[in-house]
Amino acid sequence: NAGVTQTPKFRILKIGQSMTLQCTQDMNHNYMYWYRQDPGMGLKLIYYSVGAGITDKGEVPNGYNVSRSTTEDFPLRLELAAPSQTSVYFCATRWDSTNQPQHFGDGTRLSIL
Amino acid sequence: AQSVTQPDIHITVSEGASLELRCNYSYGATPYLFWYVQSPGQGLQLLLKYFSGDTLVQGIKGFEAEFKRSQSSFNLRKPSVHWSDAAEYFCAVGAGGTSYGKLTFGQGTILTVHP
Repeated sequence: NAGVTQTPKFRILKIGQSMTLQCTQDMNHNYMYWYRQDPGMGLKLIYYSVGAGITDKGEVPNGYNVSRSTTEDFPLRLELAAPSQTSVYFCATRWDSTNQPQHFGDGTRLSIL
Repeated sequence: AQSVTQPDIHITVSEGASLELRCNYSYGATPYLFWYVQSPGQGLQLLLKYFSGDTLVQGIKGFEAEFKRSQSSFNLRKPSVHWSDAAEYFCAVGAGGTSYGKLTFGQGTILTVHP
């Protein structure tokens, strides 16, 4: 039982490149979330999904895209990488019932130079 | 809109001393409140949660937190800190219903433990 798996763990991109951060879960949770974490800023919600085929914007969606074709996978896409997107990215999942916490992956550390 | 404030960016305590990390929230209704801990290079691990009922909640690793509605606070406590407790701690607030479990996090408090 792996829980929430994020790949890659580290990545360096050049400005203008694109990439996809992968998030896979084996807990059959319908709710999934992408956050970015910047020093001293806590975690900010980028996008979230309440089930396959359903996604919505969070607090800081600009520069990112998501898709949710299966329950297990929730990839985050950066189309034109910018230095401001240097951050640590976390994926989280949650059982879609009241009183449930979110479960986090170990993160992807992304640097854009 | 909901918000969370953790007034202390960095706290240093000696091993064996007591600990209190502060968390103040802003939310119109009864909030769902969480404390998470993050060790370096790791994801966030849930320490404890409050949804309703008893305002003093117990969590893992000997932590507890008390919900005080009148003060809009949810402070985290531990009676005796261990060196392994050194980490960053995040308070978060969420809501039920159509919020779909979305969380708003505080800025985090870094805990350093001196031997």
